[in-house]
Formats: sequence, structure tokens, C-alpha cells
Amino acid sequence: EIVLTQSPATLSLSPGERATLSCRASQSVRSYLAWYQQKPGQAPRLLIYDASNRATGIPDRFSGSGSGTDFTLTISSLEPEDFAVYYCQQRSKWPLTFGGGTKVEIK
Amino acid sequence: EVQLVESGGALVQPGGSLRLSCAASGFIFSSYDMNWVRQAPGKGLEWISHIRTSSTTEYADSVKGRFTISRDNAKNSLYLQMNSLRDDDTAVYYCARDAKYKDDYWGQGTLVTVSS
Repeated sequence: EIVLTQSPATLSLSPGERATLSCRASQSVRSYLAWYQQKPGQAPRLLIYDASNRATGIPDRFSGSGSGTDFTLTISSLEPEDFAVYYCQQRSKWPLTFGGGTKVEIK
Repeated sequence: EVQLVESGGALVQPGGSLRLSCAASGFIFSSYDMNWVRQAPGKGLEWISHIRTSSTTEYADSVKGRFTISRDNAKNSLYLQMNSLRDDDTAVYYCARDAKYKDDYWGQGTLVTVSS
């Protein structure tokens, strides 16, 4: 199965700062990578699909990039509601797999 | 408005069975593949099963042979039959709409606790 490794595990930042989250795949997933945001007690929410396409209603401060094995989710300027856990997921091969998550916390 | 509502979660003993349901509304259910994803307490997300519009299926190794995904398009419903439940199946179970390479809508989840 394709293993996704997210780094860092925790990112401590202040509102207004830029967040850069990494997701590395154990083999190429082409551009079939999605990013989700999850807040405590809530279901995950789709942010980015096909590596770089924003989902409906997602603010443009969220952007995704990468292809093959290395991907990045960037939040250009953190808003208070952006502090959450972020997961990447590959959609290239079965079984679908998620990364372990990156927690973005308030510094 | 797209809505997915899971139900059926409960406390069950190891070795027991449970059937989860996911009621879909606000879209043409028969036109979409669907997924089940679970999350153990304090842990990350784990994809466990997929069903296509054709009703062909995929499973994670962790549940293969024990869980069965199915759908009833006439009832706009998705199901997960879980047999031979183990302690490590304890999790919140989410259904999600698969919109071709992305899960764009998720239910609120239903909690399954496996414990004696």
C-alpha cells in the first residue's frame, strides 16, 4: 500500500503567519492527492483535490501544490478558524490511504 | 443541500455484529460511489471500504472478510455490515460521497464501541 508521511506532526504558529504542510508518498500518486481539515468533534472537510484544486467554498488563502511523491498545503495567512488537524489522502491506488495528520496549533 | 446521516453505532461485545446505515439526501445517490472511513479515539483517519455505482467493492485489509459494504439506491442508503468485531474496530465511522478522486461530503459520524 502507498504510505503517506506528513510533516511536521505539529506546527505552532500565530494568526497571520504562513503555514506550510508537507505530505510525502512512498510511491508516485500522480496528482491524485486530496487535503482535508478536521476540527475537534467534527467530520473532515475537503479543502483541496487533485493536488491543487480548491473545493467549493474554500478560501483562496488555502493552496495545494506538488505531483508524484511530494505535496504541499499552504495557508498564506492563518485565520483563527484555521487551527485544526490537516490530513492528506491519496486517491491513486487501492487501498486509499491517509497521512498521519499535521496539527496546526496556536503559538 | 447534500446530507449524509449515519446511524447504527452502539456498544457491542468482541465477536459481535453491527450494521451501520448512512441515509443520503440532496443528490442523486445512485450516480455516486461511496466510502466508509473510520477514526479510532484520538487517532487519524482510516479508509475502510468503497462501493461503486455498479456495486463492485473495495476493502482495506484490516476489515476484509469481516465487513461488507452495500447500497440500496431505491432507499438512498449505504450500509456497512460488521461481523467478528474486535476491540480495535472501536471508532467513529463516517460515510462520505466519492466525487471522483475526492470525498466532497461527509456525514457527522456514528460511534462504534467494541468492549466486553
